[in-house]
Amino acid sequence: NAGVMQNPRHLVRRRGQEARLRCSPMKGHSHVYWYRQLPEEGLKFMVYLQKENIIDESGMPKERFSAEFPKEGPSILRIQQVVRGDSAAYFCASSPKDRVPYEQYFGPGTRLTVT
Amino acid sequence: KNQVEQSPQSLIILEGKNCTLQCNYTVSPFSNLRWYKQDTGRGPVSLTIMTFSENTKSNGRYTATLDADTKQSSLHITASQLSDSASYICVVISKPRDDMRFGAGTRLTVKP
Repeated sequence: NAGVMQNPRHLVRRRGQEARLRCSPMKGHSHVYWYRQLPEEGLKFMVYLQKENIIDESGMPKERFSAEFPKEGPSILRIQQVVRGDSAAYFCASSPKDRVPYEQYFGPGTRLTVT
Repeated sequence: KNQVEQSPQSLIILEGKNCTLQCNYTVSPFSNLRWYKQDTGRGPVSLTIMTFSENTKSNGRYTATLDADTKQSSLHITASQLSDSASYICVVISKPRDDMRFGAGTRLTVKP
């Protein structure tokens, strides 16, 4: 059973471009979470999705950021018109049901660098 | 101010020594507390999950304690190994929405 997969592992974008980050949850997991980790800081919750539904997007910036988890395929975190402050590591986690008490399993992350 | 404070920020110890990492929180109402290990360039991996009624829980050489009254937790690492070098993150989950609050982590370096 493969773990949570994220791609790309590293992504470089120029200011103003779009960044698309992909997350494939563990087999059998229907819940996906996205987190952002700025250099030397802790993880910050962004969004929590079930298949075809956004459950909680309270940590997502109101502009330029969007997330989806379609019926088929991976979850996508999209950042439009990236700025230097978007440079960070973006982690995806999946769980089999709901957050608690079920464990969350993290992917290896995507490191986004905006030049 | 962060609702989950970890100390020390960083720590260097010699291989074979023990160490204790601290986590103080103000998150309320409390549901459970987790410790994660995050190797450089990787995602966090769960070490322990502790609920309100649990005072101590072990996972190999890792032992976590929880004092829900004083809102403090610690992670004790016994007989450290080079592979223990990582960031250790304390996460507190609150009711009723199960919001997760992450500490900034303690960066542990184990030297030979």
